[in-house]
Amino acid sequence: SQQGEEDPQALSIQEGENATMNCSYKTSINNLQWYRQNSGRGLVHLILIRSNEREKHSGRLRVTLDTSKKSSSLLITASRAADTASYFCATDGRGNDMRFGAGTRLTVKP
Amino acid sequence: DGGITQSPKYLFRKEGQNVTLSCEQNLNHDAMYWYRQDPGQGLRLIYYSQIVNDFQKGDIAEGYSVSREKKESFPLTVTSAQKNPTAFYLCASTPTVSGYGYTFGSGTRLTVV
Repeated sequence: SQQGEEDPQALSIQEGENATMNCSYKTSINNLQWYRQNSGRGLVHLILIRSNEREKHSGRLRVTLDTSKKSSSLLITASRAADTASYFCATDGRGNDMRFGAGTRLTVKP
Repeated sequence: DGGITQSPKYLFRKEGQNVTLSCEQNLNHDAMYWYRQDPGQGLRLIYYSQIVNDFQKGDIAEGYSVSREKKESFPLTVTSAQKNPTAFYLCASTPTVSGYGYTFGSGTRLTVV
């Protein structure tokens, strides 16, 4: 069963704009992760945020986590055409197995 | 370079055939996973293994089988019992210690012909 749900399903922006994607999940977690997938490729790990953290940065990425609302957001600042991809959130399940949402498809127009 | 290698990249299966997808990693990771991805969808967990000679069913294990005889290898067999096997299959690995992201292979696209 999918744990996370991303919103929106698709997002189209101009180069230089910021992109915000949201993720909601149902049960308590130890950590939440964000991944990126270019079309037809494997997923690439972007960032991990633990349940006791509220915000984390990595380059142009900023992730927030609100465990009271069971939600997370991924912000990509100053987007580039190369950021065009699908972005997935994933949460840990019963053990060390991660469950993924359906993803947000981001298109950055040059 | 360390990483995960999936082969083949493309695979065609006839009705009623079993096929095996290969996944090999040289990252010394204990845990390995198989996911299925359908067009425009997220990933669904098929099987996972956290240690050699042990594995657990994920959410959609029916019609699939796995083995974990070596730490480096976690092959997935798609059996004839899987009625709709056409999909993109992704293998991943991670250390069992919590707090690490997954490393994914580049995937195998399976098509039934």
